[in-house]
Amino acid sequence: SQELEQSPQSLIVQEGKNLTINCTSSKTLYGLYWYKQKYGEGLIFLMMLQKGGEEKSHEKITAKLDEKKQQSSLHITASQPSHAGIYLCGADNTGTASKLTFGTGTRLQVTL
Amino acid sequence: NAGVTQTPKFQVLKTGQSMTLQCAQDMNHEYMSWYRQDPGMGLRLIHYSVGAGITDQGEVPNGYNVSRSTTEDFPLRLLSAAPSQTSVYFCASSPRGVGNQPQHFGDGTRLSIL
Repeated sequence: SQELEQSPQSLIVQEGKNLTINCTSSKTLYGLYWYKQKYGEGLIFLMMLQKGGEEKSHEKITAKLDEKKQQSSLHITASQPSHAGIYLCGADNTGTASKLTFGTGTRLQVTL
Repeated sequence: NAGVTQTPKFQVLKTGQSMTLQCAQDMNHEYMSWYRQDPGMGLRLIHYSVGAGITDQGEVPNGYNVSRSTTEDFPLRLLSAAPSQTSVYFCASSPRGVGNQPQHFGDGTRLSIL
């Protein structure tokens, strides 16, 4: 089984709708990183969560970390076509962030 | 600001050929990593380095070599290319310090092995 399970694998939402992507680690989480990737391009850093219960927001994207459940969620409010892409979570399971384990990604499409 | 620079952006190789993917960063980051990205499998760690002269294996190291002679550069060598190594390769770097910092990624190298 995957060390870092990400769900759903793909998502199609209508513009204006809310959505949530989940990321669950089978190992202790010292930090959780969310990235966005546009098709055929590199990874853009979105947010980093380190402390249990931590919640961060940037524009219409909110990420939360549940340390006890070793789980993080990424929530997009009122989705827009610009939100389309692949969302990846990366876990620091070592405490040093010298290497990350990534989930398989969630492919998001936003329809008009 | 250059950040993490990967070259080449695209490459086609024949089975059995060798080549080096280049990665350079100008942020004086101690940590550097190489990942490969395949459809449906996310990013998988190939090799990583926590500083000049120090490298370690990741999840999928077979068929690849790395070295870290300087802080800035972290080249990835394919010894004898195989079709299974067709992938998109990403290099990343991050600083070591108090509190974890996010990894900065290059734009990737798209590699096809025929």
